[in-house]
Amino acid sequence: DIQMTQSPSSLSASVGDRVTITCQASQDINNYLNWYQQKPGKAPELLIYDASNLETGVPSRFSGSGSGTDFSFAISSLQPEDIATYYCQQYDSLPITFGQGTRLEIK
Amino acid sequence: EVQLVESGGGLVQPGGSLRLSCAASGFTFSSYWMYWVRQAPGKGLVWVSRIKRDGTNIRYADSVKGRFTISRDNAKNTLYLQMNSLRAEDTSVYYCTRSGDGGGFDIWGQGTIVTVSS
Repeated sequence: DIQMTQSPSSLSASVGDRVTITCQASQDINNYLNWYQQKPGKAPELLIYDASNLETGVPSRFSGSGSGTDFSFAISSLQPEDIATYYCQQYDSLPITFGQGTRLEIK
Repeated sequence: EVQLVESGGGLVQPGGSLRLSCAASGFTFSSYWMYWVRQAPGKGLVWVSRIKRDGTNIRYADSVKGRFTISRDNAKNTLYLQMNSLRAEDTSVYYCTRSGDGGGFDIWGQGTIVTVSS
């Protein structure tokens, strides 16, 4: 199985800050890497697909980059509504696996 | 409106069975691969199973193989998950989701809660 190691596991930042989360795969996943946002009690929402493509309707302050085994996700200017847990996910091979999540809080 | 709505969750004793359903609307259900993903209380997301557009190419996570069965009825726009021999560790919110054109899971249901306890 491909292991997805996400860091940090939690993060506290101020409104307007730039926030970055990293995700490392245990092997090359050919950019088959997605990022999701999950708010408490809600289903996840797709933000970024295939490492760097912004899903339709998602604000442009969200972005993704990386290739091979190392990927990152960024929020350029943190907004109060961005408080959530963020997950990376690989779908290069089965089983599909997710990172353990990054809980983002407002400082 | 594009929508997935799960049902069928509940409280069941260890060893029991449940059948989850996921009703799709607002899109051509038969054109999409479909998946089940679960989330134990306070934990992360875990892939459970997937099924191709035509009901073939079925795969399962090792943790549910031999106990869970995924299926779909394209005429009824519905995805199913038959869960047998349930264990306490199967307690989770179960989400159905589709694989979008870009490869990510772009539409999710609201989730249905399964609790396995005596």
